[in-house]
Amino acid sequence: AQSVTQPDIHITVSEGASLELRCNYSYGATPYLFWYVQSPGQGLQLLLKYFSGDTLVQGIKGFEAEFKRSQSSFNLRKPSVHWSDAAEYFCAGANRGGGNKLTFGTGTQLKVEL
Amino acid sequence: SAVISQKPSRDICQRGTSLTIQCQVDSQVTMMFWYRQQPGQSLTLIATANQGSEATYESGFVIDKFPISRPNLTFSTLTVSNMSPEDSSIYLCSVEDGQGRNGYTFGSGTRLTVV
Repeated sequence: AQSVTQPDIHITVSEGASLELRCNYSYGATPYLFWYVQSPGQGLQLLLKYFSGDTLVQGIKGFEAEFKRSQSSFNLRKPSVHWSDAAEYFCAGANRGGGNKLTFGTGTQLKVEL
Repeated sequence: SAVISQKPSRDICQRGTSLTIQCQVDSQVTMMFWYRQQPGQSLTLIATANQGSEATYESGFVIDKFPISRPNLTFSTLTVSNMSPEDSSIYLCSVEDGQGRNGYTFGSGTRLTVV
């Protein structure tokens, strides 16, 4: 069955420190992969997406993610975290082609210490 | 990308009653997706709604509890029926952009509290 796994439920980093959030996927073929952010009381915002080509993708708010087929991973990174980055981060995947559902990981709650 | 208007944004309902949530999209889309996010949890797909056919429900979700309408290519409703406190969640609708390649757009969500 298709699945997306986020091993870290909670992560705390200091403001200005680097960040890496882990995501692993299990699909029959390489899926479309996404990272979303959900701030308290807010909706879901797409940070970045991968569907093919360059394995390092750039997103909004200074985030990037690297697709590694050999590790079935799509980890999210940011070189310097800001206090406003505190939020819930979701990795998600979908089979290629249209009309396919999006499957979410369990989410990682990011806390930023000032 | 598509813009989704979802309402109501929140509601407090008595147990045993029903609530209908509406999603309006600013462009025609083939499929709409309905998700539930229980408190402190991730998003779980309830069903996929195609225009002109019955919705497809995920395991653990049934039509009697979550009836869905999809009367045209820009609109869908989800009803949460015979509510209990366990139905207290955020409900979100979603559409795919560019056959998924551009991501999936979400409505702002309906925060439901059942008392």
